[in-house]
Amino acid sequence: AQTVTQSQPEMSVQEAETVTLSCTYDTSESDYYLFWYKQPPSRQMILVIRQEAYKQQNATENRFSVNFQKAAKSFSLKISDSQLGDAAMYFCATPPDQTGANNLFFGTGTRLTVIP
Amino acid sequence: NAGVTQTPKFQVLKTGQSMTLQCAQDMNHNSMYWYRQDPGMGLRLIYYSASEGTTDKGEVPNGYNVSRLNKREFSLRLESAAPSQTSVYFCASRRGEGRTGELIFGEGSRLTVL
Repeated sequence: AQTVTQSQPEMSVQEAETVTLSCTYDTSESDYYLFWYKQPPSRQMILVIRQEAYKQQNATENRFSVNFQKAAKSFSLKISDSQLGDAAMYFCATPPDQTGANNLFFGTGTRLTVIP
Repeated sequence: NAGVTQTPKFQVLKTGQSMTLQCAQDMNHNSMYWYRQDPGMGLRLIYYSASEGTTDKGEVPNGYNVSRLNKREFSLRLESAAPSQTSVYFCASRRGEGRTGELIFGEGSRLTVL
């Protein structure tokens, strides 16, 4: 069965501090892409960052970076210098445990609160 | 660019009624998807279409049918709505070729079945 685990249902961070959201997954693929999405109260799903499993280097997008551990199948999101606008639900998305299938599975999400 | 457009945004149905959620994308993407989002459950895949003319079941297909009408449009039909289908539904399309691109989502459709 497909497993994408976000073990932190809720997290909070002080404004300007750093927070890390965790995600673990299971796939039999060797090359694949992983994604983090943000869902603010508006409900819109917004791509935060993408990581190619074949690349050793962790992806970075401004204040957002990834800690990707391929062997451990771990894909955590680090948010630096947290801002009030970062408050949202965050979902990681991974490929299915089914070679060649063209879809993504999502974790159950982490609700991030940013404290002023 | 409009991106991914879903209609309607809100709908209330009675048990047993039928309805179709419409989705269209203007980005010339091959793959399209329907997810449902429930509290504490994240997004669960209902059906997807890797290309025009093909559809595949996802995690929770029971009670739903889909049609990939053409490359732009992918509709989701509830033939006989049940309260368990109360949810927020998202349509998405996938950027790029193969399995490398990210999903681009519509704004979601909130469906309530009484």
